[in-house]
Order: sequence, then structure tokens, then C-alpha cells
Amino acid sequence: GNSVTQMEGPVTLSEEAFLTINCTYTATGYPSLFWYVQYPGEGLQLLLKATKADDKGSNKGFEATYRKETTSFHLEKGSVQVSDSAVYFCALSDHPWGGISGGSNYKLTFGKGTLLTVNP
Amino acid sequence: GAVVSQHPSWVICKSGTSVKIECRSLDFQATTMFWYRQFPKQSLMLMATSNEGSKATYEQGVEKDKFLINHASLTLSTLTVTSAHPEDSSFYICSARPSGVSYNEQFFGPGTRLTVL
Repeated sequence: GNSVTQMEGPVTLSEEAFLTINCTYTATGYPSLFWYVQYPGEGLQLLLKATKADDKGSNKGFEATYRKETTSFHLEKGSVQVSDSAVYFCALSDHPWGGISGGSNYKLTFGKGTLLTVNP
Repeated sequence: GAVVSQHPSWVICKSGTSVKIECRSLDFQATTMFWYRQFPKQSLMLMATSNEGSKATYEQGVEKDKFLINHASLTLSTLTVTSAHPEDSSFYICSARPSGVSYNEQFFGPGTRLTVL
């Protein structure tokens, strides 16, 4: 079955530090990969995505590259801010981003989440 | 942006009682909604996929008679925890996938904290 393994937290950084949160996956076929972010008291929000090998997803200064050869999708940001403090989840979906299928194919498999705290 | 709400945001109940949690898509229609359970410091575990107008599809190991799901409209799915016990205490999160789109994006609710005494 599918699985996602991500770096255990918590991660504590100073403002403007470089961030890496590692994520590796196991899946059959060619999954789509996602990073979700959960700010305190809020629901999960999609941060970025990549739908095929070598794709780079980016948003709000965060980046992640779909590496099929290493089955990885590490999240990086060059200079974190206090407002980036949140829980970050890596996830995968069997269903390709651009295709229609039955509801069960849209299932997401999540990693355990990594709590990031950025101090001023 | 697409907003999903959950009600209540937290609930405390006595063992043996039933609790209903609502998940609403506020500004879009959702043929498919998902229910997750999250334990402290654990990942989100998919419990079931809820399809409007049909029976929910439960994941292996999830008791369908205990966790009743109803998706009676394109904007509302409910999860009822029947005869709740302390081990059912958890954080329940729903997500909704917009109808008629060709991509797999889900919008998440803020979650419901259930505590069973």
C-alpha cells in the first residue's frame, strides 16, 4: 500500500533560517505529491503540489521537487518567517492531477506531520 | 477561496451517547467528502469516503455501524459516532472535493475535537 514518511519534529528555527523538511514515499504507479500546511486553529491548506517526476511545486517561498529516483518530495524554504510556524504534512494521491475517476481514487495518504516553530 | 466548515468545533459527551458532526462546503458543491481521524502527534487517518446520494466507502478496520456517514446533499456530510466510548476521543477532520473538476484538490475543515468521558 501507499505510505508517506516525513521528518519527525518538532523543528525550531530562528527567523531567516533555511528550512528543509524531508518526505519520502512508497506508492504504486505515478502518484501526485502534496504539501499541506495547518496553521494553529485552522484546517489544512494546500501549500504546493507536483504531479509528475521532476516537477517543482512552489508557493509562498516554499519549494519541493518530485524526485522519482529517490521517491522524495522534500520541502524547502530559504528564509523562514515567524508566520510560517505551523504543522506541515506531506501527502500523496494515487489519482493523477488531471484526470477523472471514481471517488475512491482521490484518497490522500498523509505523513505524520512536522511541527515548525520559528522564533523572532 | 473554497471554505469548509465543521460543527461543532469541540464536543464533550458521556460514554454511550451518540454525537453528530457536520461538515459543510460553504461556497461550492462537493460530490465527494472525506472523513479523517487524527490522534495526537499522528497522521490523518482516512476513515471513509462519502459520496452524495450513495453509501459511504469505509476504510479497512473502520466500523461502519459505529461511524455512520450521511451525505444527503452536495454541501453537507455528517458523521455520527454512535455509542461513543473514551477510545473514540479524537480529532475528526473532513475534507470536500469540488464537483465537476478534473483535478484532485480537497479543501479541509478546521476539525472537531471529540472527548468522551
